[in-house]
Amino acid sequence: DIQLTQSPSFLSASVGDRVTITCRASQGISSYLAWYQQKPGKAPKILIYGASTLQSGVPSRFSGSGSGTEFTLTISSLQPEDFATYYCQQLNSYPLTFGGGTKVEIK
Amino acid sequence: QVQLQESGPGLVKPSETLSLTCTVSGGSISSSYWSWIRQPPGKGLEWIGYIYYSGSTNYNPSLKSRVTISIDTSKNQFSLKLNSVTAADTAVYYCAIVDTAMVIVYWGQGTLVTVSS
Repeated sequence: DIQLTQSPSFLSASVGDRVTITCRASQGISSYLAWYQQKPGKAPKILIYGASTLQSGVPSRFSGSGSGTEFTLTISSLQPEDFATYYCQQLNSYPLTFGGGTKVEIK
Repeated sequence: QVQLQESGPGLVKPSETLSLTCTVSGGSISSSYWSWIRQPPGKGLEWIGYIYYSGSTNYNPSLKSRVTISIDTSKNQFSLKLNSVTAADTAVYYCAIVDTAMVIVYWGQGTLVTVSS
């Protein structure tokens, strides 16, 4: 199975901050990576797929980059509604796997 | 927009079978891939498997010996059965639509299933 390691696991930030989350894959997955946002008590929501393609309707302050084994999710200016947990998912091979999550909290 | 709704018992006894159904509304189940994902309380996400509308399936090897996903196109529903459950199977179970690239595009709201005697 492909392991995904997210860092940091927890992040404390202020409104307006630039935030970067990293996802590292245990082997190369090309650009077959997606990012999801999950708020407490809710289902995850797709943000980015193909490592860098923004899902329709997702604000442009979210961006993704990377290929191979290292990927990043960046929020250019953190908004109050962005405080949530973020997960990466690899789509390269089965079983599909997720990173452990990064919880973004208000400083 | 397609909506998904999970249904089934919220409490299952150890060693018994967990059974959930996902009802699809606002679209036809006779296309796309349909998936189950779970999330133990306070923990991360685990992909259980998917079924294609034609009936072909793909399961997580960690659960494969205990899992069956089936589809009923006449009812616009697909289902999950997980047998021989233990406390480790306690989780919120989500049904979802997966596109051809395996991106999970829509999720149900999730249903908590607790395994306890």
